[in-house]
Amino acid sequence: AAGVIQSPRHLIKEKRETATLKCYPIPRHDTVYWYQQGPGQDPQFLISFYEKMQSDKGSIPDRFSAQQFSDYHSELNMSSLELGDSALYFCASSSSGTRTYEQYFGPGTRLTVT
Amino acid sequence: AQSVTQPDIHITVSEGASLELRCNYSYGATPYLFWYVQSPGQGLQLLLKYFSGDTLVQGIKGFEAEFKRSQSSFNLRKPSVHWSDAAEYFCAVGALANRDDKIIFGKGTRLHILP
Repeated sequence: AAGVIQSPRHLIKEKRETATLKCYPIPRHDTVYWYQQGPGQDPQFLISFYEKMQSDKGSIPDRFSAQQFSDYHSELNMSSLELGDSALYFCASSSSGTRTYEQYFGPGTRLTVT
Repeated sequence: AQSVTQPDIHITVSEGASLELRCNYSYGATPYLFWYVQSPGQGLQLLLKYFSGDTLVQGIKGFEAEFKRSQSSFNLRKPSVHWSDAAEYFCAVGALANRDDKIIFGKGTRLHILP
C-alpha cells in the first residue's frame, strides 16, 4: 500500500539559511500534520492542514510557515534556521472520509543545521 | 490536560526475558492509544493500536498491549525479547474524532537488551 512520502530524507543547512520540507500524503488523504522531534525528545505537533486551509496549530515558531496545495501535498518552510531547529520532522496524513482521523506517519526528514 | 506518562526512561532486560513497558494517559475524551517503536535515527513504526473492542491488542513483532480504562493504562508486553527489539518505544494517545485532534506522545522508554 502507498505510504506517506517525505522529501528530502536528509537535509543539511547552515544557520540563517532557509529549508523547505515536502510531504506527499497517502492518496485520497486530505489532511496533513507536521511533527517535530528534537534529539532525544518525543515528537511534538507543529501544524495541520485540511483542504488547503490551516486546521490547527501547535508549537510552531513564527519563522516557520506551511501550506497545503491543491494536490494535497504540503510544504513546511523554515527560515532563519537556528541550531535548535536540528530535528527529525515527521509528516502524517489522514482521511476525513473514514470513521476516525487515524494518522499515518511518513519516514521523516532529518534536518541538520550547522 | 491531555498527557501521556511513560514512567521508565530506560529499561534493561536480558534476551529471552519477558518485557512490560508502562504507559499511563490522561485524556478527556475516549482515547485512541498507540505504541510506536523507533530505532536510532529512524522513523516511527506503529507496533499496535487500540480504538475499541477487545482490550487486549495484538501487534507486530510479537508485541501486545492491554487497555485498562480503570487504571488509565496501556502497557506494552512481549513474552520473550530479541536483541533486535532494542529501541525507543513511544506510547501515544489521540482522540482522532476530529481532524484537529493531534497525537500526543509520551517521553519514550529506551529498551536495552543484554545478551
